[in-house]
Amino acid sequence: EIVMTQSPATLSVSPGERVTLSCRASQSVSSDLAWYRQKPGQAPRLLIYGASTRATGIPARFSGSGSGTEFTLTISSLQSEDFAFYYCQQYNNWPPSLTFGGGTKVEIK
Amino acid sequence: EVQLVESGGVVVQPGGSLTLSCAASGFTFDDYTMHWVRQSPEKGLEWVSLISWDAANTYYADSVKGRFTISRDNSKKSLYLQMNSLRSEDTALYFCARDDGSNYVFHYWGQGTLVTVSS
Repeated sequence: EIVMTQSPATLSVSPGERVTLSCRASQSVSSDLAWYRQKPGQAPRLLIYGASTRATGIPARFSGSGSGTEFTLTISSLQSEDFAFYYCQQYNNWPPSLTFGGGTKVEIK
Repeated sequence: EVQLVESGGVVVQPGGSLTLSCAASGFTFDDYTMHWVRQSPEKGLEWVSLISWDAANTYYADSVKGRFTISRDNSKKSLYLQMNSLRSEDTALYFCARDDGSNYVFHYWGQGTLVTVSS
């Protein structure tokens, strides 16, 4: 199983700040990496796939980068709706055994 | 608008069985692979199973292999998860999800149905 590790576990930031979240894979997943945002009481919402492609309707303040085992999600200017949990997910292996990271909570400072 | 609505979550005793359902609308159901994903405070988000558009291919997480069965009825635009030999660690919010047809990324999610395994 490919283990996904996210850091930090919690990030305390102020609205308008730039934030960078990290995700590391235990082995290479190429660019088969997605990011999700989950607000309390809601299902996760896809933000980024293919490591850097924004999903439909996702604003440009979200960007993803990386390949292999190291990935980052950057939010250029944090909005109120961005205080939430963020998860990475790999979809590289076959037969499929899709795995998520443990998440990063972005909270208001 | 894509909609996925799960149902069937209840409190069930360890060793018991349960079937979850997911009703799909707003897209051509038989064009897409469908998934079940669960979430618990202990394990976080965990992919459970997937089924191809024609039900010819199914895959499972090791944690549920041999106990859970995924199926679909394209005529009813519905996805199912038959859960047997339930354990306390199966307690979770179960989501159905749809990918985009080209990779196993969850582009659409339902709101989830809660399964609690407890005596």
